[in-house]
Amino acid sequence: GEDVEQSLFLSVREGDSSVINCTYTDSSSTYLYWYKQEPGAGLQLLTYIFSNMDMKQDQRLTVLLNKKDKHLSLRIADTQTGDSAIYFCAENSGDYKLSFGAGTTVTVRA
Amino acid sequence: DAEITQSPRHKITETGRQVTLACHQTWNHNNMFWYRQDLGHGLRLIHYSYGVQDTNKGEVSDGYSVSRSNTEDLPLTLESAASSQTSVYFCASSEVKATGELFFGEGSRLTVL
Repeated sequence: GEDVEQSLFLSVREGDSSVINCTYTDSSSTYLYWYKQEPGAGLQLLTYIFSNMDMKQDQRLTVLLNKKDKHLSLRIADTQTGDSAIYFCAENSGDYKLSFGAGTTVTVRA
Repeated sequence: DAEITQSPRHKITETGRQVTLACHQTWNHNNMFWYRQDLGHGLRLIHYSYGVQDTNKGEVSDGYSVSRSNTEDLPLTLESAASSQTSVYFCASSEVKATGELFFGEGSRLTVL
């Protein structure tokens, strides 16, 4: 949706870290999410962060939230070929509805 | 295992025809949603439902309708298919809890010629 913006493409070398950035507009969002979509498949939740948190770490994934700037990022450490996918940022716009960004296509090169 | 399934996975139809995409979930979730995915737009909400007999319009609802006669199903109908409705359609569901996580189906690719 128009309220959530993210860059469209990211190319990263295998073994490096990937950082995907997202900005959102609804300051009342209580949860923000990162979803992963592999080719020909639906979206699967990678992780989420509650709006009163600044950071959340889950194995190779680190989510950073800057509420003042309405900026969300996802860092993937030691990026692998299996991480090649489209990554969507989403915010909870109220009443269980999620607004999604356009998606960032991550390509992992050897 | 509980799941959400969509059918058909692929469909080609002609302009002006009525098309129905099925969505069935076995989680007993109250909330169900239909999104369409288009290059450069991400996912846009078409219709959603919070329970039986409840339906609501999303941001791109023109030309689409849904009905909710039971908890498990939310079929999406295109009354008169148009080429602009060529897209990949995703159904999703969620339970009434704090995190609001959506569970997605595998998608239905619709081509309108």
